[in-house]
Amino acid sequence: DIQMTQSPSSLSASVEDRVTITCRASQNINSYLNWYQQKPGKAPKVLIFAASTLQRGVPSRFSGSGSGTDFILTISSLQPEDSATYYCQQSHSTPYTFGQGTTLEIK
Amino acid sequence: EVQLVESGGDLVQPGGSLRLSCAASGFTFSSYEMNWVRQAPGRGLEWVSYISSSGTTIYYSDSVKGRFTVSRDNAKNSLYLHMNSLRAEDTAVYYCARTFGVVITGRFDCWGQGTLVTVSS
Repeated sequence: DIQMTQSPSSLSASVEDRVTITCRASQNINSYLNWYQQKPGKAPKVLIFAASTLQRGVPSRFSGSGSGTDFILTISSLQPEDSATYYCQQSHSTPYTFGQGTTLEIK
Repeated sequence: EVQLVESGGDLVQPGGSLRLSCAASGFTFSSYEMNWVRQAPGRGLEWVSYISSSGTTIYYSDSVKGRFTVSRDNAKNSLYLHMNSLRAEDTAVYYCARTFGVVITGRFDCWGQGTLVTVSS
């Protein structure tokens, strides 16, 4: 199975800060990497697919980069509504594993 | 509007069985691959099962293989998860999720609201 490791597990940042979350795969997954945002009590929502493609309707302050084993989710200018938990997920092969999540708090 | 609505979650004793349903609307259900994803209380997301659009290809996570069975009825726009031999560690919110895109662009673009399964005596 492909293991996905996110860092950090949690972070706190201020409005308008630039935030980055890292995701590392245990083996090469090319660009089979998706990012999701989940708010408490809600279902996850896809932000980025194929490592760097923005899902329709997602604000452009979100971006993704990377390929192979190392990936980054960037929020260019943090907004209050970005307080959530973020997950990476590999779609290279089953089981479609998720990272453990990164909880983002707004100061 | 594209919508997925899960139902069937309940409190069940260890060793018991349960069937979850996911009703799809707003899209051509028979054209899409579907998945079950679960989330234990206070924990992260765990992919559980995949079923192809025709139902002919199915995959499971090791944690549920041999105990859970995924199926679909395209005529009824419905996805199912039959869960047997339930364990305490199966306690979770279960989401159905649609796969959108092919190959490298595949992602879970639509999720239901989730249904809670609690396994406890």
